[in-house]
Amino acid sequence: AQKVTQAQTEISVVEKEDVTLDCVYETRDTTYYLFWYKQPPSGELVFLIRRNSFDEQNEISGRYSWNFQKSTSSFNFTITASQVVDSAVYFCALRSGGGADGLTFGKGTHLIIQP
Amino acid sequence: GAGVSQSPSNKVTEKGKDVELRCDPISGHTALYWYRQSLGQGLEFLIYFQGNSAPDKSGLPSDRFSAERTGGSVSTLTIQRTQQEDSAVYLCASSLAKGTAQETQYFGPGTRLLVL
Repeated sequence: AQKVTQAQTEISVVEKEDVTLDCVYETRDTTYYLFWYKQPPSGELVFLIRRNSFDEQNEISGRYSWNFQKSTSSFNFTITASQVVDSAVYFCALRSGGGADGLTFGKGTHLIIQP
Repeated sequence: GAGVSQSPSNKVTEKGKDVELRCDPISGHTALYWYRQSLGQGLEFLIYFQGNSAPDKSGLPSDRFSAERTGGSVSTLTIQRTQQEDSAVYLCASSLAKGTAQETQYFGPGTRLLVL
């Protein structure tokens, strides 16, 4: 069975601070895909990034960066110089390479950026 | 519309009534997914349609839940004899099917269901 753990239920930081959201996953598949989604107060899930299990290269997109480490089964997400607009619930998700099922989501981390 | 659309946005119903939730995927997306988001259970996968293939229904929470997809496009999730524990936000997502598992799922705004 697959599992995604986001141990941080809620994080509160002051604007301009850097913040890292943790994600640890469990799967028996050798091929799998990892995702991060953002859910702002409006409620719609917004796709942020997808990562394949065979590609451990880290990725940076503007103020966002992701650190994928298979050795620790982690796929952490860092926001640099946080802004109030980053306030949202962030979900990490996993999908097996077989693709027979949907995404397995973590419980989410509620990020609060205070001005 | 460029994104996934869902209707209604909100639905309030009485316990025991049937409800139908609709999802219109992104044009050209052949894969369609239903999820449920509730406070207690988080985001749960319910069912997945790939083109016109018969879906795997094992993720549906009970036999009161059913889903269909007509013509490989619009999907309807039906909940019969609703119970209070069915109250949740029902999310629909779609994706290209080319790479199957790796394809990114794009979500609709959801239908917020409240069973009184």
